[in-house]
Amino acid sequence: EAQVTQNPRYLITVTGKKLTVTCSQNMNHEYMSWYRQDPGLGLRQIYYSMNVEVTDKGDVPEGYKVSRKEKRNFPLILESPSPNQTSLYFCASSPLRKTGKMTEAFFGQGTRLTVV
Amino acid sequence: TQLLEQSPQFLSIQEGENLTVYCNSSSVFSSLQWYRQEPGEGPVLLVTVVTGGEVKKLKRLTFQFGDARKDSSLHITAAQPGDTGLYLCAGAYNRGSTLGRLYFGRGTQLTVWP
Repeated sequence: EAQVTQNPRYLITVTGKKLTVTCSQNMNHEYMSWYRQDPGLGLRQIYYSMNVEVTDKGDVPEGYKVSRKEKRNFPLILESPSPNQTSLYFCASSPLRKTGKMTEAFFGQGTRLTVV
Repeated sequence: TQLLEQSPQFLSIQEGENLTVYCNSSSVFSSLQWYRQEPGEGPVLLVTVVTGGEVKKLKRLTFQFGDARKDSSLHITAAQPGDTGLYLCAGAYNRGSTLGRLYFGRGTQLTVWP
């Protein structure tokens, strides 16, 4: 089954304790991205990657890191989490056409992170 | 700054009613997508519109892309409780430094009561 898998689904952590949210897709998509979703603010892009070893900042990258060492994996790293990073996080992947045009985004089921 | 403005933010209606959700921008997009998100799940694509003036139908859902490719609407006929969810529009530029990026509106939370 084609899917984007995030882990964990739920996470409660303390301020300053490094954490990683994993994301894996089995569709051989070039494009992967991370979003956070907050009430009243919608989906905001954190980081994205056009392909292996190519990553770039989205609209709200502060406090986050990513890496793309393999095509299928795109982990999100919070080196020193703070309470304002409490949110619902989504990973997404998309195929890119030869023209580079964006197509459908496939989303994972989300990770609800609480930082206390 | 929000590139895409959706309205209304909340919509609560009775089963059988019709409704329209709007997605507006001052920017011209290469394409615009509509997603539906249910609680505890990620958004799922409903449709992509590419050509100005384009109309697409998906059963009781009708999507329209504005002639100038700056706005879009989603119309639902005879809404059902199963239509309940968060409806998101997302625009793509597909060129230059924005290639591959999707810009989302804040969403319209639709509740359809039996």
